[in-house]
Amino acid sequence: DGGITQSPKYLFRKEGQNVTLSCEQNLNHDAMYWYRQDPGQGLRLIYYSQIVNDFQKGDIAEGYSVSREKKESFPLTVTSAQKNPTAFYLCASRQTGVAQPQHFGDGTRLSIL
Amino acid sequence: AQSVTQPDIHITVSEGASLELRCNYSYGATPYLFWYVQSPGQGLQLLLKYFSGDTLVQGIKGFEAEFKRSQSSFNLRKPSVHWSDAAEYFCAVVDNAGNMLTFGGGTRLMVKP
Repeated sequence: DGGITQSPKYLFRKEGQNVTLSCEQNLNHDAMYWYRQDPGQGLRLIYYSQIVNDFQKGDIAEGYSVSREKKESFPLTVTSAQKNPTAFYLCASRQTGVAQPQHFGDGTRLSIL
Repeated sequence: AQSVTQPDIHITVSEGASLELRCNYSYGATPYLFWYVQSPGQGLQLLLKYFSGDTLVQGIKGFEAEFKRSQSSFNLRKPSVHWSDAAEYFCAVVDNAGNMLTFGGGTRLMVKP
């Protein structure tokens, strides 16, 4: 089945440690996105990529980094510079075209030990 | 800048009762609007979308939404709620390029037996 796979489902980080969240899609979508969700809040955009080897900052990019070396993969690194990383992280993708909706993975919950 | 407001943080309805979730948007041009649903610990699932044409749009799971330009609203409705509809619902608007989704803060729906 086509879809978006995020791994791991749960992730724990020690203080001062970088961690990488995986997002893979087999939908052949051009664009991919990373969002952060905090309890009781909507989703906030961290980074997005419209094509391979190109990406743009969203509203809350500080303390995060991404890469887009392959069309199907868009990993997110939460760096030690991100002082409040505990959150639910959602990856999405969509096909090119303004009418195309974003499709979401099942998320990764990151917690600080 | 575009924005979305969902005035109701929590709503409780009885099973079998009708439902209306409110969404107000702010956008300078013709908006492209979405409703998504999120079950606990899961990603977002697209319920329906509005781009143009008929202002009453039908979605999955028996949901519909009505676009009212004069009121800047895109309210979600369902005639008879089922216990499985308990979830969080997000309204979103996308920019002209189709890239930047702006979400409302969400409405958590609880269903009483």
